[in-house]
Order: sequence, then C-alpha cells, then structure tokens
Amino acid sequence: DAGVTQSPTHLIKTRGQQVTLRCSPKSGHDTVSWYQQALGQGPQFIFQYYEEEERQRGNFPDRFSGHQFPNYSSELNVNALLLGDSALYLCASSLWTGVSTNEKLFFGSGTQLSVL
Amino acid sequence: LAKTTQPISMDSYEGQEVNITCSHNNIATNDYITWYQQFPSQGPRFIIQGYKTKVTNEVASLFIPADRKSSTLSLPRVSLSDTAVYYCLVRNQGGKLIFGQGTELSVKP
Repeated sequence: DAGVTQSPTHLIKTRGQQVTLRCSPKSGHDTVSWYQQALGQGPQFIFQYYEEEERQRGNFPDRFSGHQFPNYSSELNVNALLLGDSALYLCASSLWTGVSTNEKLFFGSGTQLSVL
Repeated sequence: LAKTTQPISMDSYEGQEVNITCSHNNIATNDYITWYQQFPSQGPRFIIQGYKTKVTNEVASLFIPADRKSSTLSLPRVSLSDTAVYYCLVRNQGGKLIFGQGTELSVKP
C-alpha cells in the first residue's frame, strides 16, 4: 500500500522563476492538502483540493496555485518565486467522509525548495 | 482565530513518561484534537486523535478535560527514537487546520 509520494525531493530555483511540485495521495484517499514549512516552524496550510476543486485556502498569495487531477493526484504551482518561498513543501492526503472535524492527514516526505 | 500554544522544548530520559500539553482556547465545538510527530526531513506522522476525556492507542494516550481548552499527549516509557517535534492540531472557527509551533522533545540516554 503506497503512501503519499512527492516529487521532486529537492529543487533549486532562482528568484522570479516558476515551480511545479507533484503529489500522489495514499491509495484510497481523495483529498489533498498542501503545506509550507519554513525551517524551525510548524507547517502552514496553503490549500486543500477535493473533487478537482480548491475547497479551502490559507493566507497565501495568488502566486500559489494548485490543481487536482481525476486520479486524485495534485500539483502545487508557485509563480514569481521569492527568496522567502524557500521551504519544505508538504503534501497530505485524506479521505473525505462528509465530516471534516476528525480528518486524519497522511503526509509525504516533502519537497525541499531552495530559491537563490 | 484558533491558536495553539505548546512548550517549545522538553527534555527527558529513556524509560520516563513524557506529558506534553497544548492549549487551544478557541477550539471549534465539533472539532477533534489531533497530535502529530515529525522527524527531521520527514512529513508529520499521525499519533492520536480525540474529542473528549481519554483516548489510548498502542503508542500514546491523549487526555482532554471537560472544557476542551487544552489537551495532554502522554508518551509512556520514551526511548531515544521518540526524539522528535510534536504538534497538536485543531481546526479554527473558519474550518482551517492550525498547526501549533510544536514541541521539540529530546530524549537522552
């Protein structure tokens, strides 16, 4: 049973560039959430996708966008990269049961993005 | 907005019981409290989840008082491999999941 997989594991970009990160959810899961984790900080919620639509969004600018495909996999796109975008980007999957309050997230190992 | 507060760090020795408390004064009425463990360069891993009173599984116990404004994660007989950052997670009134700052637990031999 494959868990959450993310690619690439590491990425180096320069300011102003664009980046796409990819995530495959755990088998049987239909919901994907993305988090940004700066060094020494807790994960910060970016957004969540369900049924190919953005269902919730955190306090991130429009430079951060995403997509969910019919097979439930997801992409995170960041445009016009800033130095401050350097972080570990985590993808988490879950199964939507109709109730969100007891949601259990399964995380991938993340993509380490460095912006130079 | 919901906010969680945890101790920044804790030290313990192998074989001891460790209790980590998280404050979440504005937790939503129907929300559960979930704890995660994170090792360096890895994503957080689910430990335990509860709504009220006490929940126990094979790795930890979770104690939640009646007012639900705090919760305590209890790790029995910790080992060196329990050295990690522990987060409590709640959902604010807007429905967004909020990670706390995390508690860095260091287990010494």
